[in-house]
Amino acid sequence: EVQLVESGGGLVQPGGSLRLSCAASGFTFSSYAMHWVRQAPGKGLEYVSAISSNGGSTYYANSVKGRFTISRDNSKNTLYLQMGSLRAEDMAVYYCARENTVKDAFDIWGQGTMVTVSS
Amino acid sequence: DIQMTQSPSSLSASVGDRVTITCQASQDISNYLNWYQQKPGKAPKLLIYDASNLETGVPSRFSGSGSGTDFTFTISSLQPEDIATYYCQQYDNLPPWTFGQGTKVEIK
Repeated sequence: EVQLVESGGGLVQPGGSLRLSCAASGFTFSSYAMHWVRQAPGKGLEYVSAISSNGGSTYYANSVKGRFTISRDNSKNTLYLQMGSLRAEDMAVYYCARENTVKDAFDIWGQGTMVTVSS
Repeated sequence: DIQMTQSPSSLSASVGDRVTITCQASQDISNYLNWYQQKPGKAPKLLIYDASNLETGVPSRFSGSGSGTDFTFTISSLQPEDIATYYCQQYDNLPPWTFGQGTKVEIK
């Protein structure tokens, strides 16, 4: 079964750090670009970050640039999001998603992991 | 960045009704437009790609149309299981892969 499973969310104080993971299975992970999308409580989807299939190219939304780092380990079939200098506005459910380049769409999504930023 | 504007932000319709959601891009994006469905507490699910192509396994009551800056998403006959929030997403001018603000569909 093709799936993505996020982990690593939790409660963190403002200014703190957290690393999210997204474990892929059921497909050739190293062949796909991957993305992080977040959703604050009661809000819409916000695009966060992207990484190419080999990890050589990355993108960050302005809201997280300089604070978040996306990476991947193709030998472990895992995507990461290192989050630092966390703010209240970073509190959200974080989803990882697979980019299908034939359809130019995010065709597989993880179940999401909640990040709570609070003192 | 391209801005995507969805309307309405919410709607209420009866079972069996035809439901239409629009999405407008701030500039021409050809047909590079996707639609996603998100049910409460769940991850988004791809329904339509390239403005009008139905994702495998998605019921045929869902459809999409449009090109350029104006796009339409339609549910031909609303079913109780269609209660969700629907998002459009552009992929013409990348990055970022911009989402619309969402349309919440409820049963009257």
